[in-house]
Amino acid sequence: ETGVTQSPTHLIKTRGQQVTLRCSSQSGHNTVSWYQQALGQGPQFIFQYYREEENGRGNFPPRFSGLQFPNYSSELNVNALELDDSALYLCASSLGGGGADTQYFGPGTRLTVL
Amino acid sequence: QQQVKQSPQSLIVQKGGISIINCAYENTAFDYFPWYQQFPGKGPALLIAIRPDVSEKKEGRFTISFNKSAKQFSLHIMDSQPGDSATYFCAARMDTGRRALTFGSGTRLQVQP
Repeated sequence: ETGVTQSPTHLIKTRGQQVTLRCSSQSGHNTVSWYQQALGQGPQFIFQYYREEENGRGNFPPRFSGLQFPNYSSELNVNALELDDSALYLCASSLGGGGADTQYFGPGTRLTVL
Repeated sequence: QQQVKQSPQSLIVQKGGISIINCAYENTAFDYFPWYQQFPGKGPALLIAIRPDVSEKKEGRFTISFNKSAKQFSLHIMDSQPGDSATYFCAARMDTGRRALTFGSGTRLQVQP
């Protein structure tokens, strides 16, 4: 186990709703990255937070937003949910500026949008 | 420019055999290449990683071979075991900027007893 925890484990929402996913990073890690993994595909980078500031963003629309707290835990918020948002959402924590070190993944949150 | 192409999509190997998964990249700014293993219902777990200044790295039964000129790298699993049955992802990352991982599409490995 990596020490990275995510909640909830599973979530079912309907199109147009909003969702918040949570991640607790491994002890001592100050960087959290979020990824979306569609069924049968590799994870796709959403964004990264380093010391409470966004430190890079992938090709995702603004309705995907995030937050990192002083204890380095993080939230991923998705507004106006679409069917294609159904996926496994992974967070990964790492130590160092910009996520220089190994990224350790949590078990993910499975989001289903109906 | 950001793509990492992975093959094969699926692989069946007999117990004790060698599993080989290949990846190719285009962006020469990538300078860190990890392999992740993912079991159903779990997040990816780091297996082994390599930087382009070496051509091979071995850890136990797992070996990465790296060909910088061809922009290709591969994972070799020696003496494959049924417990190795999982999905394997190669990835790449730049050492500057946001340092996000760019993943391949994954290889589903099945090791038959």
